[in-house]
Amino acid sequence: EVQLVQSGAEVKKPGESLKISCKVSGYSFTDYWIAWVRQTPGKGLEWMGIIYPGDSDTRYSPSFLGQVTISADRSISTAYLQWSSLRASDTAMYYCARHLGAYDSSAFEGYWGQGTLVTVSS
Amino acid sequence: DIQMIQSPSSLSASVGDRVSITCRASQGISNYLAWFQQKPGKAPKSLIYAASRLQSGVPSRFSGSGSGTDFTLTISSLQPEDFATYYCQQYSSYPRTFGPGTKVDIE
Repeated sequence: EVQLVQSGAEVKKPGESLKISCKVSGYSFTDYWIAWVRQTPGKGLEWMGIIYPGDSDTRYSPSFLGQVTISADRSISTAYLQWSSLRASDTAMYYCARHLGAYDSSAFEGYWGQGTLVTVSS
Repeated sequence: DIQMIQSPSSLSASVGDRVSITCRASQGISNYLAWFQQKPGKAPKSLIYAASRLQSGVPSRFSGSGSGTDFTLTISSLQPEDFATYYCQQYSSYPRTFGPGTKVDIE
């Protein structure tokens, strides 16, 4: 069974750094792309970027390029989303999601983690 | 970026009703369109991909159609567990983009 298990909720202050994780199981970590998606009440679902753990090829949405860093550790089958300096506007639920399959027709977010709530407040 | 528009933004319906939600892309995306269902406090769940293919385990009352720029999600007979918010997503190009959602609630 494919599973994506995310790290727990975080409460941070503006300017602090943060790295949240997404540990996968039930399949070969290096074979499928993993994306990160932000959800806020005001802006709905926003696709942030994606990584292919097999070779660490990474693509970012222009809206998030330079704001976050996506990475992966193949040795522990875990993907990461990190911030170097959080803002209040980063307060949101963050989901990791794996492509359903390896072909173009299934190259969308078919399996989702449970979400990590990040709250940034002074 | 490709913009996705959904309509309506919300609808009220009764159990047993046939419900349709439309999604329009700002440019052609062939059939690279997925539909998701999200319930409060839960992660989105994929229902349909490639515009009309049912994800494994999804009830057959859900169906999708369309190609190019115009797509439709149809629930043939609404069940109590179907009250949720539905999103479309294009995966024709990066960055992927989602529609703003359609909330389906009880009439």
